[in-house]
Amino acid sequence: DSGVTQTPKHLITATGQRVTLRCSPRSGDLSVYWYQQSLDQGLQFLIQYYNGEERAKGNILERFSAQQFPDLHSELNLSSLELGDSALYFCASSGPDHGDEKLFFGSGTQLSVL
Amino acid sequence: AQTVTQSQPEMSVQEAETVTLSCTYDTSESDYYLFWYKQPPSRQMILVIRQEAYKQQNATENRFSVNFQKAAKSFSLKISDSQLGDAAMYFCAYRSGGSQGNLIFGKGTKLSVKP
Repeated sequence: DSGVTQTPKHLITATGQRVTLRCSPRSGDLSVYWYQQSLDQGLQFLIQYYNGEERAKGNILERFSAQQFPDLHSELNLSSLELGDSALYFCASSGPDHGDEKLFFGSGTQLSVL
Repeated sequence: AQTVTQSQPEMSVQEAETVTLSCTYDTSESDYYLFWYKQPPSRQMILVIRQEAYKQQNATENRFSVNFQKAAKSFSLKISDSQLGDAAMYFCAYRSGGSQGNLIFGKGTKLSVKP
């Protein structure tokens, strides 16, 4: 168990809909990262938050947004969903110090857009 | 920008034998970390081993070891005494050392273990 909790584990929805994925980082971790894993694109970094502030952006679509709350949990919002958004979405967290180089991953949310 | 390349989409090994997975990377940074993650059929991402770029000594974790060649920008993973439970996707990943950056992954190598 990595200590990172993601909910829900599975999500099935229709095109055009909006969904919210939730992530609780390991206790004490300040950084949260979101990744998308699909067969054709591999593991793509979407966005990172550090202690409530956006730290870095990767290949995140404008239809997607995220935030990190004061209790450090994070949510990834996906809107106007398309078939191509079907993927496994991972959340990961890491500690606050320079030496905390490891990322610990949650078990992912499998999103199916029909 | 940093890139990570895994040139072997699939590999196969006999149980109890040794296999080496290849990874090369490109960076202009001097401070960074390299990782191997395992993703079994459960799809959980599991950290296998990590290497700090400033350390010359190759990292070892039980049956897993790396061959880190900094000048060649090569970071291979050796699995000794392969077990059926080692069958998984293996991802090589890079992380900048300075700023709590994200991981950059290779495309992965699918490892099969034959009984």
